Amino acid sequence: GNSVTQMEGPVTLSEEAFLTINCTYTATGYPSLFWYVQYPGEGLQLLLKATKADDKGSNKGFEATYRKETTSFHLEKGSVQVSDSAVYFCALRNNQAGTALIFGKGTTLSVSS
Amino acid sequence: NAGVTQTPKFQVLKTGQSMTLQCAQDMNHEYMSWYRQDPGMGLRLIHYSVGAGITDQGEVPNGYNVSRSTTEDFPLRLLSAAPSQTSVYFCASSRLAGMDTGELFFGEGSRLTVL
Repeated sequence: GNSVTQMEGPVTLSEEAFLTINCTYTATGYPSLFWYVQYPGEGLQLLLKATKADDKGSNKGFEATYRKETTSFHLEKGSVQVSDSAVYFCALRNNQAGTALIFGKGTTLSVSS
Repeated sequence: NAGVTQTPKFQVLKTGQSMTLQCAQDMNHEYMSWYRQDPGMGLRLIHYSVGAGITDQGEVPNGYNVSRSTTEDFPLRLLSAAPSQTSVYFCASSRLAGMDTGELFFGEGSRLTVL
């Protein structure tokens, strides 16, 4: 079946530090991969996505590359800010009509000034 | 632009009571779904729908009922609430056409406590 595994948190960093949140997946076929972010008290919102192998998704300084050979989609940011403090979810969706989005358990990021 | 609207935002129930969480979207999305979010468990899919009159079970459907009579609305019913259903519930929708986007649009969540 399909599943997503992401690193356990919480991750605590100082402002301007480098961020990596690991995500690996198991899926049949060729899924699309996503990172969603949830700020305190809010719903989830899409951060970035990649739809095929070697695609790089990027947004707000965050990047992730779809690596089929390692079944990974690690999230990175070169210099985090306090405003990046949130919960980050890795997710996949098989490209068949009506299939569900499968989420990892989420990683809490806390950035201090 | 409203997007996905969930009501109520907060609800406290007693064991055995019933209630309905409402979800409405104004984006003409075919796909709608309900997730529950629990600490350490991430988001787990309860039920989903690919169009009016069509629903299917997700990972954790027991104790919940859904229907989809219109494209816009996808209510989630708890017929006899249990403390294990204490959670934050999210409704989410997306298009079906152009599946390479896959972006789900989420409501702000409904926090349910069952005593």
